[in-house]
Parts: sequence; C-alpha cells; structure tokens
Amino acid sequence: QKEVEQNSGPLSVPEGAIASLNCTYSDRVSQSFFWYRQYSGKSPELIMSIYSNGDKEDGRFTAQLNKASQYVSLLIRDSQPSDSATYLCAVNPSGYALNFGKGTSLLVTP
Amino acid sequence: DAGVIQSPRHEVTEMGQEVTLRCKPISGHNSLFWYRQTMMRGLELLIYFNNNVPIDDSGMPEDRFSAKMPNASFSTLKIQPSEPRDSAVYFCASTTSGGKTGYTFGSGTRLTVV
Repeated sequence: QKEVEQNSGPLSVPEGAIASLNCTYSDRVSQSFFWYRQYSGKSPELIMSIYSNGDKEDGRFTAQLNKASQYVSLLIRDSQPSDSATYLCAVNPSGYALNFGKGTSLLVTP
Repeated sequence: DAGVIQSPRHEVTEMGQEVTLRCKPISGHNSLFWYRQTMMRGLELLIYFNNNVPIDDSGMPEDRFSAKMPNASFSTLKIQPSEPRDSAVYFCASTTSGGKTGYTFGSGTRLTVV
C-alpha cells in the first residue's frame, strides 16, 4: 500500500488567518492529487484537485504541488470557523483507486 | 443529481449476524468504490468495480467480506459473520473517470457490531 502522510493535528488557527495543511506521498508515479474536507459525522467532500506542479487557486483555497519533493499542500486564506473540519489528502498513483491520508484536523477559533 | 445513495445509514447488529450494506452510484458513473473508515486506520479501500467488474479486492479484510455489483446502479457489501472489529463507517463512492478526477462519496453506513 503506497503511503500518504499527514500530520493529524489538531491545527488551530485564529479566524481570518491562513491555514496551511501539508501532505507527503510515497509513490512517485502519482499523477492526480486531491483535497477532501470531512465534517464530523459526514462524508468526505472534494474541494480541490491538482495535477501539475505549481499552484492552483479556487476562491479562498490554494493547492500546491511539488512532484520532485512528493509534497502537496492546501492553503486556506481568511479562515472561518465553518472551515473547522478534517482535511484528507488523496493521491491517485495509477489506475482507479485513491489512497487517502488519515487527515489533519483543523480548528478555526473565533 | 441524487448523489451516491447508501443504505442503511446506521446498522447495529450482534456478533455473528450477517450484514448487508447497499449502494446506488450516481447515474452514468462507471466506477464504484467501497471504503471503510476508522479512527485508527483512516479510510481504507476495500474493493472497486469498473463497469460492474471487480478490479481489485485486495483490501477486503478476509473471506467474511464479499461485494457484488450485479448492474450499473447497485452494489452490495456483505459481512458474514460480523465481528465487533468490523465496527466502522463504510463509504461507497463513484466516478466516471476511474478516480483521475476524484470521486463522490455517499453518506456512509455506520456499522456497530456488539
């Protein structure tokens, strides 16, 4: 099983700050990378996808990918209490199935 | 779009009983995945289907687990006999692209085996 590693947290940031979530993966052939958000008791929800090196921005979210370092990150600008959730990094090494990290718990404090 | 539909939402059963979880993927999606989530192990892939055919079942814990996809709109995951260590949230997910563009999860089934 190829590994996807995340710091479990919790990561605590004040409202309005930037939250930075990080993920490393072990399979160098990975081509697709995703961030899912999961609220307590709910199912994972896809929020960002990235396929090439560099940054991808969508609203307050920016995904960053560095394939040479096997590193993916998610930045959340102007963090809101409603962003408090667990963020799952997922990697598609090849074929069909995503490998998930165990997630980072984010707490945004008012 | 009704999303991925799973049933039941909650299941409490006694050890040794048979449990059947059900999933209806999004119409038009040709790949379906069963995952199990626990605090200790996170999201684990159990099995996935492409065009109703099982592609990889290496994540199925043991012979007590079986999955079927008799048609494009329905899949089941069966545990027989169930054990307390099977207690987890079971998610079904579907996609059109084999995972290359991510996939959509159902609401999950929370299974408790006592």
